[in-house]
Amino acid sequence: DTGVSQNPRHKITKRGQNVTFRCDPISEHNRLYWYRQTLGQGPEFLTYFQNEAQLEKSRLLSDRFSAERPKGSFSTLEIQRTEQGDSAMYLCASSFYRGHYEQYFGPGTRLTVT
Amino acid sequence: AQTVTQSQPEMSVQEAETVTLSCTYDTSESDYYLFWYKQPPSRQMILVIRQEAYKQQNATENRFSVNFQKAAKSFSLKISDSQLGDAAMYFCATEAGNMLTFGGGTRLMVKP
Repeated sequence: DTGVSQNPRHKITKRGQNVTFRCDPISEHNRLYWYRQTLGQGPEFLTYFQNEAQLEKSRLLSDRFSAERPKGSFSTLEIQRTEQGDSAMYLCASSFYRGHYEQYFGPGTRLTVT
Repeated sequence: AQTVTQSQPEMSVQEAETVTLSCTYDTSESDYYLFWYKQPPSRQMILVIRQEAYKQQNATENRFSVNFQKAAKSFSLKISDSQLGDAAMYFCATEAGNMLTFGGGTRLMVKP
């Protein structure tokens, strides 16, 4: 069990650019979640996948945000035309059913939009 | 919809003492889970303790225990024999419909 990994750990981009983050879940975990955490706040749910199916995406913040999990393994979160308000920590979590889906979090990708 | 409120932005405790972090929540779900997560500085979030709402018995994990008051929608975390490594942000969360809803967090400082 190597844990959930996220890359890059830090990303600085200019307003208007597109960015993509990657999440690699724990290997046997079939569910994968994305959250956003702004400074001093708790994480905010964005979307989740079961295998390759995106089962909830109504909480994505705008149509500039999209996520994929093409083969049911790693996932990517893309933000198009970034804005300064997108600056935040983006967290990924994964889970597997053992009587309950307990979520294990990755270290996050910190995005700074200048 | 779920909401979670943590009314204590910061708490401080002396090493080896006991501290209680407060959390209230609101949910329309009848079947849900409650959690406390710990987020150390610049490190990833880890689960401290979990409570199933249908269980009346309060969950306990070593030095960590909860006081779950379902009717009052209250879910506090008690940390006994506080250690320096307990210093972190603590988030209360509820899960319903496959998503976690977090409170704003409480920063716990542990004084040696």
